[in-house]
Amino acid sequence: DTGVSQNPRHKITKRGQNVTFRCDPISEHNRLYWYRQTLGQGPEFLTYFQNEAQLEKSRLLSDRFSAERPKGSFSTLEIQRTEQGDSAMYLCASSSLQGGQPQHFGDGTRLSIL
Amino acid sequence: GNSVTQMEGPVTLSEEAFLTINCTYTATGYPSLFWYVQYPGEGLQLLLKATKADDKGSNKGFEATYRKETTSFHLEKGSVQVSDSAVYFCALSAIGTASKLTFGTGTRLQVTL
Repeated sequence: DTGVSQNPRHKITKRGQNVTFRCDPISEHNRLYWYRQTLGQGPEFLTYFQNEAQLEKSRLLSDRFSAERPKGSFSTLEIQRTEQGDSAMYLCASSSLQGGQPQHFGDGTRLSIL
Repeated sequence: GNSVTQMEGPVTLSEEAFLTINCTYTATGYPSLFWYVQYPGEGLQLLLKATKADDKGSNKGFEATYRKETTSFHLEKGSVQVSDSAVYFCALSAIGTASKLTFGTGTRLQVTL
């Protein structure tokens, strides 16, 4: 069990650029979640996958955001035409299918928009 | 909708003091309840959990009891250490939501010598 891995740890980009983050979950976990955390707040749910299927998206996920999990393993989160308000920590978590099982989080990708 | 309310921080305590961080929730049905901890520069780590009423979760000297009648899940520790300094998040996972978590805003704990 190597834990949830996220890359990169930090991303600095100019407003209007596209960015992509990667998450590698714990290998036997079927569910993968993305959250966004802004300074002084708790994480907010963005979307989740069960295997390769994206089953729910939050209203926070505007049409500039897209997430994929093509083979049911790693996932990518892309933000197009970044805006200042996108600056945040993006967290990935994974869990097994069994109800009530806790989610295991990665260390996050911190996005800073110049 | 589902929500979690935590006491505002920061909470500043001397080493060996007693800790309580209050957490109340609103949810349909009987959610699972969690405390996560975030140390400086690190990701969220599960501290403890409880999945049904009157369950007590415990880990590393921390405890929390699932109180359905008061919709609460307060975190307690009898004697805090400097190494416990971190941000603590209360969270719930509601029935039928595929385990997605709803978090409180977090409570920063600072323990001094």
